[in-house]
Amino acid sequence: QKEVEQNSGPLSVPEGAIASLNCTYSDRGSQSFFWYRQYSGKSPELIMSIYSNGDKEDGRFTAQLNKASQYVSLLIRDSQPSDSATYLCAGRPRQLTFGSGTQLTVLP
Amino acid sequence: DAGVIQSPRHEVTEMGQEVTLRCKPISGHNSLFWYRQTMMRGLELLIYFNNNVPIDDSGMPEDRFSAKMPNASFSTLKIQPSEPRDSAVYFCASTGGSADTQYFGPGTRLTVL
Repeated sequence: QKEVEQNSGPLSVPEGAIASLNCTYSDRGSQSFFWYRQYSGKSPELIMSIYSNGDKEDGRFTAQLNKASQYVSLLIRDSQPSDSATYLCAGRPRQLTFGSGTQLTVLP
Repeated sequence: DAGVIQSPRHEVTEMGQEVTLRCKPISGHNSLFWYRQTMMRGLELLIYFNNNVPIDDSGMPEDRFSAKMPNASFSTLKIQPSEPRDSAVYFCASTGGSADTQYFGPGTRLTVL
């Protein structure tokens, strides 16, 4: 079992909709979780970090963490075509471990 | 502020040749990470350094790979001899102090023919 698993997608949503990205992790010792966005041909860039159970909001992005169920999610409200990218979930049991990524396409 | 700098951005070489990838972390950052990204395996951590000391190299695929960090502002990842299956994008990332956020360089796209 991979330490961090994501639905590989691809996921398509219409512009203005909510995109929901999910991630599960296996190591209960993981304390920190991150969502990175990676545009095609570019490097990953951090968009959200979350450390505590519950929701964390930053603009159109909301990260959710449920340690009991060992899942992390990212909601993107009012999705824009510019949000089209691969989203990488990462957990930190010891060092950062990345999921395989979910490719999101926002259709105009 | 300059971000993480990697060179070269693209490298095409023939099987059996030595390849050296270079990274300059963000000034003041004390941890440096080398990753490899492929379609099949995603983003994998190869090795990381803390204060120039290699801490965990368990991700290095085999003895053909080696990494050094002679000082706080420079690191190399060497592949000798290179093989076609080494073709990937290699990222360097750095982070500072107790911060978790890793800042990635632009990557080196390596093609081994």
